[in-house]
Amino acid sequence: DAGVTQSPTHLIKTRGQQVTLRCSPKSGHDTVSWYQQALGQGPQFIFQYYEEEERQRGNFPDRFSGHQFPNYSSELNVNALLLGDSALYLCASSYRDVSYEQYFGPGTRLTVT
Amino acid sequence: LAKTTQPISMDSYEGQEVNITCSHNNIATNDYITWYQQFPSQGPRFIIQGYKTKVTNEVASLFIPADRKSSTLSLPRVSLSDTAVYYCLVAVTGGGNKLTFGTGTQLKVEL
Repeated sequence: DAGVTQSPTHLIKTRGQQVTLRCSPKSGHDTVSWYQQALGQGPQFIFQYYEEEERQRGNFPDRFSGHQFPNYSSELNVNALLLGDSALYLCASSYRDVSYEQYFGPGTRLTVT
Repeated sequence: LAKTTQPISMDSYEGQEVNITCSHNNIATNDYITWYQQFPSQGPRFIIQGYKTKVTNEVASLFIPADRKSSTLSLPRVSLSDTAVYYCLVAVTGGGNKLTFGTGTQLKVEL
């Protein structure tokens, strides 16, 4: 049973560029949440997708957008990258949008230069 | 939004019991207390969740007093592999499962 998978593992981008990160949830899960984790900090909630709709959103600008596909996989898009967007981006999945037991993927390390 | 306070770091030795206490004075009636563990360069991993009194699983125990303003994560007989950051979270009320992480407690286990 595959857990949460994310791609790519690492990514280097230049300021102003756009990036797309991908996530496949754990088998049987239908809800995907995205988190940003800066070095030395705890993960910060970006948004959550359930039934292909954004259900909750954290304090992130609309440069951060996402999508959920019918197979429950999800993408996180970040436009007009800033140096401060450099972080580990984590995807977490759960069954329905009310379970606090979330399964996290290994993350995508994004470096903006 | 209930805010949590926990020690920044703790040190222990293999075989000892480790107790990490978390303060959440503004916890709401419908909030649950949840703990996650995170190793370097990995995503957090769910450890345990509780509402009141005591919860135990194969990994840890969670003690919650009657006023629910604090909780204690207990790790029995820790080993080197328990070296990690431990996060105490209080669930956001109003539905949904948005997780709000603080800075966590860095536990270091030595021989």
